[in-house]
Amino acid sequence: EVQLVESGGGLVKPGGSLRLSCVASGFTFSPYSMNWVRQAPGKGLEWVSYITGSSSPIHYADSVKGRFTISRDNAKNSVYLQMNSLRAEDTAIYYCARGLQYAFDMWGQGTMVTVSS
Amino acid sequence: QSALTQPASVSGSPGQSITISCTGSSSDVGGYNYVSWYQQHPGKAPKLLIYEVTNRPSGVFNRFSASKSGNTAFLTISGLQPEDEADYYCTSYTGINTRVFGTGTKVTVL
Repeated sequence: EVQLVESGGGLVKPGGSLRLSCVASGFTFSPYSMNWVRQAPGKGLEWVSYITGSSSPIHYADSVKGRFTISRDNAKNSVYLQMNSLRAEDTAIYYCARGLQYAFDMWGQGTMVTVSS
Repeated sequence: QSALTQPASVSGSPGQSITISCTGSSSDVGGYNYVSWYQQHPGKAPKLLIYEVTNRPSGVFNRFSASKSGNTAFLTISGLQPEDEADYYCTSYTGINTRVFGTGTKVTVL
């Protein structure tokens, strides 16, 4: 089955760190760019970060630049999002999404990140 | 980068056609043919409906069509069905290596 499965979400205090993982299966992972997209509770979608199949280039939204780091391991069919200096406004469901010509053609089920003291 | 502007809600009766707009600027929607559209049912992940302004991925019903004029993109749902009731989002490449989503539109089938 072709799918993306995220993990690593949870409750973290402001200023803390969390690492999200997304494992792909059912397709050849390495040629595809990957993205992280988030959705705050009751709000719309926000693109977070992008990485090509070769891990370069990498792009970030201004709201997370300098705090979040995207990476991937093609041998493990995985993409990661290291999130540091977390803020309350980072609270959201985080989706990984496969890239298709600047669109997102496959999505995982999401993992919830809550930043609260 | 500000979010693209979509109407908060659009409604229609079964069988009717509705159109959702997505307004940006010459730096995003108007500058590139990289507009895509997504459908999201409550509690579910988004689903790609349209990419590169007008292209439908395999498996997406041809009731969904899209176009662009200047800085505004449009998604049309023809023959509205009860299962089309969902939230719809547009997104565009911005040319500064980022992507921006629309504010989202809630479609209600009356």
